[in-house]
Amino acid sequence: KAGVTQTPRYLIKTRGQQVTLSCSPISGHRSVSWYQQTPGQGLQFLFEYFSETQRNKGNFPGRFSGRQFSNSRSEMNVSTLELGDSALYLCASSLGPALAGELFFGEGSRLTVL
Amino acid sequence: DAKTTQPPSMDCAEGRAANLPCNHSTISGNEYVYWYRQIHSQGPQYIIHGLKNNETNEMASLIITEDRKSSTLILPHATLRDTAVYYCIVRERAGTASKLTFGTGTRLQVTL
Repeated sequence: KAGVTQTPRYLIKTRGQQVTLSCSPISGHRSVSWYQQTPGQGLQFLFEYFSETQRNKGNFPGRFSGRQFSNSRSEMNVSTLELGDSALYLCASSLGPALAGELFFGEGSRLTVL
Repeated sequence: DAKTTQPPSMDCAEGRAANLPCNHSTISGNEYVYWYRQIHSQGPQYIIHGLKNNETNEMASLIITEDRKSSTLILPHATLRDTAVYYCIVRERAGTASKLTFGTGTRLQVTL
């Protein structure tokens, strides 16, 4: 079966712009979680969605937001981009809520902010 | 946040067992230990998880100490393709919500 699909894979933005990243989970998976990976901070949890509801949120400013649609696809948005937002953004899907069991990660969206 | 501590790097000869330790001394009674690995430029890959009993699957074995303050991931016969960063994670729960806190991981280098 198809894996987790993230689009776009690469993108370049400038400071002050906003960006929207998309994640299509594995068919049948209802939970999507998002992570930011940088060389300095490692992998950090952003938020988790299940059945269109945000279940938990990591320690990120309000510029980072997300949503989940009825087909379980998810988007995350970062507004007023800063240089420090340059990172690999990963999403993961799983069958049930609360990040239980195995998470299946996508290949990530690499964002560069100039 | 529940924290895990791992050595930053380890080497292992191909064909030998790789034993990757993890300390999670603040773990709570209902929190699971997960292991993931990340091969360069790819998304993390699930390996195994456990609560208190030792676990084994086709990829690895997970040994959790009786007090649950530490665990060891064992790759029984390491190959070059096992070269990756290995993350030991505690799944924290607060009501119906959870989050995974990734540490800095152990960079495992498998050599000939």
